[in-house]
Amino acid sequence: QKEVEQNSGPLSVPEGAIASLNCTYSDRGSQSFFWYRQYSGKSPELIMSIYSNGDKEDGRFTAQLNKASQYVSLLIRDSQPSDSATYLCAASNNDMRFGAGTRLTVKP
Amino acid sequence: SQTIHQWPATLVQPVGSPLSLECTVEGTSNPNLYWYRQAAGRGLQLLFYSVGIGQISSEVPQNLSASRPQDRQFILSSKKLLLSDSGFYLCAGTVNEKLFFGSGTQLSVL
Repeated sequence: QKEVEQNSGPLSVPEGAIASLNCTYSDRGSQSFFWYRQYSGKSPELIMSIYSNGDKEDGRFTAQLNKASQYVSLLIRDSQPSDSATYLCAASNNDMRFGAGTRLTVKP
Repeated sequence: SQTIHQWPATLVQPVGSPLSLECTVEGTSNPNLYWYRQAAGRGLQLLFYSVGIGQISSEVPQNLSASRPQDRQFILSSKKLLLSDSGFYLCAGTVNEKLFFGSGTQLSVL
C-alpha cells in the first residue's frame, strides 16, 4: 500500500514564529514531491514542489527533501494569520498521492 | 495558462441514482488526470488517474468508474450512488509535473 503520512496536528503557532510541517512517504519510486495549502471548502493550491534532495526556498517557505529517509518537510518563516489553513503533502510516481493534511493555526 | 473546468459546484442526489461528473482541461495537452474524493475534515483520497486516452488506473474498488474519451476530458460515473459516496470530488491535471485542481463538486447523497 503506497502511503503518504503527515503529522496530524492540529498545529498552533504565534504570529511571527516558524511553523514546521512533516511528511513521510512509503513509495521509494516517488520522484516528485509537493506541498499544497487548502482553505476550508476550497480546492488545494500549490505552494512548492521539490524533486531533489536538499532544501528549496521560496520567500517565507522552505521545502526539504531526504529521499534516503523518505521524508519531506515544509518550514514557514514569519508565520502570518493568513497562513492558517490545512497543509497537504503529496508524493508522485505518476499517481499523485496525498497525506491527510495538517491543520495550521497562526495566532495573532 | 492551464485551467481545470469542473461542474457542477454542488449536487444533491438520492441513493441509487446514477452520477456523471465531467472535467475538462484547457491550456495543455496530454496531461495526467486525476479524480480525488475528500470527506469532511479529511485528506484527499485518490480514486482514479489516467496517463492517456482510454488509460485508467483505479485505486479504490467501489461502485465508481472513470473514463477518458478525449485527451482533455475525464469523467467520473456511478450507476447507483451509495450514502458513503457523499463528499467533495476534485478533478486535477498535471502540467510539467505540477498538479492543478478544479473548483470541486460537493456531492450529497441522501
